[in-house]
Amino acid sequence: NAGVTQTPKFRVLKTGQSMTLLCAQDMNHEYMYWYRQDPGMGLRLIHYSVGEGTTAKGEVPDGYNVSRLKKQNFLLGLESAAPSQTSVYFCASRGGRDNEQFFGPGTRLTVL
Amino acid sequence: AQSVTQPDIHITVSEGASLELRCNYSYGATPYLFWYVQSPGQGLQLLLKYFSGDTLVQGIKGFEAEFKRSQSSFNLRKPSVHWSDAAEYFCAVGGALMEYGNKLVFGAGTILRVKS
Repeated sequence: NAGVTQTPKFRVLKTGQSMTLLCAQDMNHEYMYWYRQDPGMGLRLIHYSVGEGTTAKGEVPDGYNVSRLKKQNFLLGLESAAPSQTSVYFCASRGGRDNEQFFGPGTRLTVL
Repeated sequence: AQSVTQPDIHITVSEGASLELRCNYSYGATPYLFWYVQSPGQGLQLLLKYFSGDTLVQGIKGFEAEFKRSQSSFNLRKPSVHWSDAAEYFCAVGGALMEYGNKLVFGAGTILRVKS
């Protein structure tokens, strides 16, 4: 049982390039989330999904898109990367009756 | 709107000393409260959570937290800190299953340093 995994672990992009971050969970959770973590700001919610085929905006959605084509996967896309998107990105999933979220190990993204 | 305040950005304690990390929240309904810990370069690990019932909750690694509704606080405590507790700690608040989109709001974090 791997829990929540994220691919890749590290990535360096040039301004204007695009990329997709993959999050996968094997716990059959309905809810999945993408956060970004910046120093002194905690974790901020980018987008989330309450089930396969659904997505919704979080606190800081601009410049990102997401898709949830399969229940176990939640993809985060950057169509045209900007230096302001340099951050550590965390994926999380949640299932069951409570609100506990399980986090992946993170992806460190640098945009030059 | 939900919000979480962690007033201390950094805290330094001596190994063996007691620890209290502060967390204040703003929430319009019954809150679900969490403390997560993040070691350098790692993801977040749940320390403990409060949903209802006893306001003093026990977590992993010897941590506990007390929910005080009148003060809108959920402070984290440990009686004797170990060097391995050095990490960043995040308090988070969320709602019941069908409230506020089931989202968590995190505080900015408190970095704990342990000196020997």
